[in-house]
Amino acid sequence: EVQLVESGGGLVQPGGSLRLSCAASGFTFSAYWMTWVRQAPGKGLEFVANIKKDGTYKVYVDSVRGRFTISRDNAENSLFLQMDGLRAEDTAVYYCARDVTFAIDSWGQGTLVSVST
Amino acid sequence: EIVLTQSPGTLSLSPGERATLSCRASQSVGTNHLAWYQHKPGQPPRLLIYGGYNRATGIPDRFSGSGSGTDFTLTISSLEPEDFVVYYCQYYGQTFGQGTKVEVK
Repeated sequence: EVQLVESGGGLVQPGGSLRLSCAASGFTFSAYWMTWVRQAPGKGLEFVANIKKDGTYKVYVDSVRGRFTISRDNAENSLFLQMDGLRAEDTAVYYCARDVTFAIDSWGQGTLVSVST
Repeated sequence: EIVLTQSPGTLSLSPGERATLSCRASQSVGTNHLAWYQHKPGQPPRLLIYGGYNRATGIPDRFSGSGSGTDFTLTISSLEPEDFVVYYCQYYGQTFGQGTKVEVK
């Protein structure tokens, strides 16, 4: 069974940093692109970033490019999202997700990031 | 950059009725690149349709996807009580539409 478990969310002040982690199990992690998706309170789903199987290619939504960094450790079956320069508008539930061909077939339960004074 | 526009924003129907949800792309996209998700409160989204019309594993056959070019449709042939939630289309595994909420009339 595919399992994706996020951790690292919490309350942070504007301008601060957080590092989200996602522990993957139940599948060959290194064989899949992986994605972070977020949902702000009362809003819809938003693609944040994704990363190629070997970590050599990354895509970011414009609003986080230069502030967030996606990475992975295939030896540890883990996905990460380093978030710097956080803003109030980054407040959201962040989902770790597994890519299949042009779709997402598995999702974690999400971790809440709150950016506030 | 491709923008996806979903309509209507809210669809008010009764159980047993047919639901037709629209997803329009700002420019022509490949059918293979279009997916649909169902999102219930407090749960992660669930993949319904990939490649424009392929049902994901375990998805009931009352859900179907169609369309090409710029216009895509998710159809729920007969609404069950658990279907009254929010639906999203997605392009290329990245861009999402803003969602359509299906509510009980």
